[in-house]
Amino acid sequence: ETGVTQSPTHLIKTRGQQVTLRCSSQSGHNTVSWYQQALGQGPQFIFQYYREEENGRGNFPPRFSGLQFPNYSSELNVNALELDDSALYLCASSLGLILNPRDNEQFFGPGTRLTVL
Amino acid sequence: SQQGEEDPQALSIQEGENATMNCSYKTSINNLQWYRQNSGRGLVHLILIRSNEREKHSGRLRVTLDTSKKSSSLLITASRAADTASYFCATDWMNRDDKIIFGKGTRLHILP
Repeated sequence: ETGVTQSPTHLIKTRGQQVTLRCSSQSGHNTVSWYQQALGQGPQFIFQYYREEENGRGNFPPRFSGLQFPNYSSELNVNALELDDSALYLCASSLGLILNPRDNEQFFGPGTRLTVL
Repeated sequence: SQQGEEDPQALSIQEGENATMNCSYKTSINNLQWYRQNSGRGLVHLILIRSNEREKHSGRLRVTLDTSKKSSSLLITASRAADTASYFCATDWMNRDDKIIFGKGTRLHILP
C-alpha cells in the first residue's frame, strides 16, 4: 500500500460526457502526476501539479484539465469524452523537486478504470 | 514519444529460473526507475538507480545501468509465481523537471 488513493475504481461513461477522477496523495507529498495507461501500453504522462500549480504537461489536448487543492489532493477532468479515452488513469504523488532534487520516486495509486461507450 | 523501451516484450520462464529484462532510452537522464504492475493495477516502485551508479541490489533484484549505451537491465533471481507481472522502466529527462517517462513494459510470466 502506497497511501495514495483514487476514486472511483471503475467508471463507465458515454461519448461526449464529462468525467472527474480524484486522487489523494501520500501524506507529506506536495506533487501529483497523472498518467493515462491504455491496454497493453506503458503509462503516458498527462500533467503534473506542484503546490496547486500545473508544473508540466504531456501531449494531451486541453479537454484534459486538472486541479490540485491546498491539501495536495487532485482532480483530473476530461470533457467531451472520446472512445479512445478508455484507459486506466493513474495518479502518483511525490515530494517534488525542491525537497528531492534528484530522486523523483513516485508512489502510485491503484488507478481508475474508465470505459467510454 | 516513448523515452524508454523494454526488451523483450514478453517473457515466460520456469519458477526458480532467473529473469532478465532490458531497457533502452534516448536522452541523458538523472536516474532510471523500475516498476512492477500486476494485472492492470497501480504500479509498485521497485528500485531507482542514479546516473552515477552502475549497479544496485534490492533483495532478489539486481539493476545495472550503462549510461554510455543508454541502457539498463533488471535481473530477478530465483523467480516465483508471484513475480508474474508487467515490468516498466521509467526515466526522467535531465533538466526537464521531475516528470518521468515510461516504456511499454515487459510482460513476465512465471510457469509453475
